[in-house]
Amino acid sequence: DGGITQSPKYLFRKEGQNVTLSCEQNLNHDAMYWYRQDPGQGLRLIYYSQIVNDFQKGDIAEGYSVSREKKESFPLTVTSAQKNPTAFYLCASSNYLNTEAFFGQGTRLTVV
Amino acid sequence: DQQVKQNSPSLSVQEGRISILNCDYTNSMFDYFLWYKKYPAEGPTFLISISSIKDKNEDGRFTVFLNKSAKHLSLHIVPSQPGDSAVYFCAASAFDAGNMLTFGGGTRLMVKP
Repeated sequence: DGGITQSPKYLFRKEGQNVTLSCEQNLNHDAMYWYRQDPGQGLRLIYYSQIVNDFQKGDIAEGYSVSREKKESFPLTVTSAQKNPTAFYLCASSNYLNTEAFFGQGTRLTVV
Repeated sequence: DQQVKQNSPSLSVQEGRISILNCDYTNSMFDYFLWYKKYPAEGPTFLISISSIKDKNEDGRFTVFLNKSAKHLSLHIVPSQPGDSAVYFCAASAFDAGNMLTFGGGTRLMVKP
């Protein structure tokens, strides 16, 4: 089955530690995205990548880093510089010519 | 500055009645609009979309209306069912901007039996 997979679903980390969230897709999509959702708020774009080895900052990139070494994978690292890392993180992918984005199931990160 | 706004954070509707969710946008370059449905602790799922060359698109119980002059779109669900209870996000994109999706803040729909 084609789809987009995020792991893990729940993640706990201590304050000051970096943590990497995984996102894999087998839809052969060119573009991949990371969004953050906070309670009562919409989806805010962190980073996006439209092609392998290239990525761009979204609206709230500070404190995050990404890589796109393979078409299928777009991991997100939440660094210790991110002031409020506790949130629900969503990865998405789309075909560049098709504006419909498919989302993963999300990772809820809690930093204690 | 929010380019896509959903001014109603929540909406409560009786089962069997119509649900109308509204969305306004400010960027006149947007040419494609989508609605996503999201359950708690899950990723959003695509529901229905509309291109700016149309003013209506229908799919079963879901219809999206686009009023370009007012920069307004709405999602109608008829008849509403308890399983429709979720958060609905409106999103918009512009081809000239690489089809990046800009999301509204979401509206929580509660359908009461």
